[in-house]
Amino acid sequence: TQLLEQSPQFLSIQEGENLTVYCNSSSVFSSLQWYRQEPGEGPVLLVTVVTGGEVKKLKRLTFQFGDARKDSSLHITAAQPGDTGLYLCADPPGGATNKLIFGTGTLLAVQP
Amino acid sequence: GAVVSQHPSRVICKSGTSVKIECRSLDFQATTMFWYRQFPKKSLMLMATSNEGSKATYEQGVEKDKFLINHASLTLSTLTVTSAHPEDSSFYICSARDSGGYEQYFGPGTRLTVT
Repeated sequence: TQLLEQSPQFLSIQEGENLTVYCNSSSVFSSLQWYRQEPGEGPVLLVTVVTGGEVKKLKRLTFQFGDARKDSSLHITAAQPGDTGLYLCADPPGGATNKLIFGTGTLLAVQP
Repeated sequence: GAVVSQHPSRVICKSGTSVKIECRSLDFQATTMFWYRQFPKKSLMLMATSNEGSKATYEQGVEKDKFLINHASLTLSTLTVTSAHPEDSSFYICSARDSGGYEQYFGPGTRLTVT
């Protein structure tokens, strides 16, 4: 089973600051997903990246897939309190496995 | 998007009792559903994969006699925590995969507190 390490584990920043969250694995991903989870709710899919080097933007969020498809990053510009939540990268099902496995998670708190 | 519901959203039970949590796909059929467990401020840990009409597949370290899973229809899977103890207190989240694809849709979770 692929292990997905995220860093940092916790991040507390002020509104308006920028931040980057990282997701790393020792194995190659066929594709990778990013989710956000708010307290007391299920995770919500933000994006799926498939091609090495791919960059996707979702408003103030920029997702990058490493060229070797072993890592990914999520960059948030001008963070807002509404961005607060648990950010999870995930190895989606496909290929040899039927399971979606989550990374270790990054808990983000954006202070107003 | 597809909707997955869970019931109950919160449950408090006494130690030694059993609790059943339901997971329903509301507008699609799901041959496969998944059950996850989450501790505070931690990631989701896959417990088991539930396949309609067959036995669930449990992840290593998850007691199948403790966490009974039934997937009797294409829209319903249930997780029963048997003889619950305080250490079973957690947030349980299910997800359902559309029979036609790989996308997984997550339920809102069930907060279980065992006193």
